[in-house]
Amino acid sequence: AQSVTQLGSHVSVSEGALVLLRCNYSSSVPPYLFWYVQYPNQGLQLLLKYTTGATLVKGINGFEAEFKKSETSFHLTKPSAHMSDAAEYFCAVSEKGFSGGYNKLIFGAGTRLAVHP
Amino acid sequence: DGGITQSPKYLFRKEGQNVTLSCEQNLNHDAMYWYRQDPGQGLRLIYYSQIVNDFQKGDIAEGYSVSREKKESFPLTVTSAQKNPTAFYLCASSIGPRQGVSGNTIYFGEGSWLTVV
Repeated sequence: AQSVTQLGSHVSVSEGALVLLRCNYSSSVPPYLFWYVQYPNQGLQLLLKYTTGATLVKGINGFEAEFKKSETSFHLTKPSAHMSDAAEYFCAVSEKGFSGGYNKLIFGAGTRLAVHP
Repeated sequence: DGGITQSPKYLFRKEGQNVTLSCEQNLNHDAMYWYRQDPGQGLRLIYYSQIVNDFQKGDIAEGYSVSREKKESFPLTVTSAQKNPTAFYLCASSIGPRQGVSGNTIYFGEGSWLTVV
């Protein structure tokens, strides 16, 4: 079974600084990778996903992530943090689930991002 | 607007009582899911349904039951057999499944808080 490891349950950055949230997954072929964001007391919203093609994926709100197969990583970055980025971020990987497709999501434990002035 | 509606937002359960969380979607999605979220543990799959009148157990189905009588609706019942039900519950949906199709985005509702009193 797949597993997802998010390094660092809490990350704190200054406003305007680089955001780097780490995600590593257990090896599987092929991996389908996702980042979701959760604001307090709300559901999850998709930031970006990797399925095939270009390994650098751009998402909403200025976030991007790079799939590195050799490192089994899918780290999330944003060049300049904004106060509104404070939230919890979840990395997820698809494993084989329904009707032969890779469409069952396995989530990491989450990383809470704090942004201070 | 299309989306997933969960109700109630907050629910309190007494010992030995069954409670039902509602989930309705108007996205015309075939697949629906229930996840449980506990602090520091990410999301865990309780049940999923690929199509009307069909559903499968996820990773933590004990103490829960579901039904899928309509495409739009996937209610979750937390039974008295669930000994630790206090958590945040998230309903989700996605298109498909279709044979071999992978990487479909899963969309989430706003969640429901269940607390044992």
